[in-house]
Amino acid sequence: ILNVEQSPQSLHVQEGDSTNFTCSFPSSNFYALHWYRWETAKSPEALFVMTLNGDEKKKGRISATLNTKEGYSYLYIKGSQPEDSATYLCASHTGGFKTIFGAGTRLFVKA
Amino acid sequence: GAGVSQSPSNKVTEKGKDVELRCDPISGHTALYWYRQSLGQGLEFLIYFQGNSAPDKSGLPSDRFSAERTGGSVSTLTIQRTQQEDSAVYLCASILGTGRFYGYTFGSGTRLTVV
Repeated sequence: ILNVEQSPQSLHVQEGDSTNFTCSFPSSNFYALHWYRWETAKSPEALFVMTLNGDEKKKGRISATLNTKEGYSYLYIKGSQPEDSATYLCASHTGGFKTIFGAGTRLFVKA
Repeated sequence: GAGVSQSPSNKVTEKGKDVELRCDPISGHTALYWYRQSLGQGLEFLIYFQGNSAPDKSGLPSDRFSAERTGGSVSTLTIQRTQQEDSAVYLCASILGTGRFYGYTFGSGTRLTVV
């Protein structure tokens, strides 16, 4: 059974803090790993699509790394801002089109 | 359209009634997915449509759930004889390609409450 796990479930940080979350996924039959940002009352928005072991992607203050051999990805946020408050979802593709999503990490950034 | 459109955005229904949820994907996206998120849970796969191929219905939780996609575009998810455990946010997403290069584009969801 495929299982994508994210930790922590929730995180409270102060504005300016840097933070990171973890996504663990089955390493067998790996095809792609997605990160999404989901703000309340909005649609999840794709942040990164990662496919290669050792991949590092960056978008502004947010970056992500990928280890397909051991089945984990880290998402980093540098200098958190209140507008970064959202749920961050990761999703694992095994090439069968049935993407498995984690339950998400809910980030709260206090001004 | 410019994005994935879902309607209604909120639906409150009585237990036992049927409901229809609609999704209008991005033009040109051949793949369309339905997911749902129950309180405190991750996104649960329901059904997947790819072009003219038979849909993958393996995620539908019971035979009360069905979905169709007309003309390779608009999709309707129907839940018959709704139960309280059907209460969730139902998300539709479309994608260009296989997911190796592009992420999903999600709609804003339908929040279904069964009372």
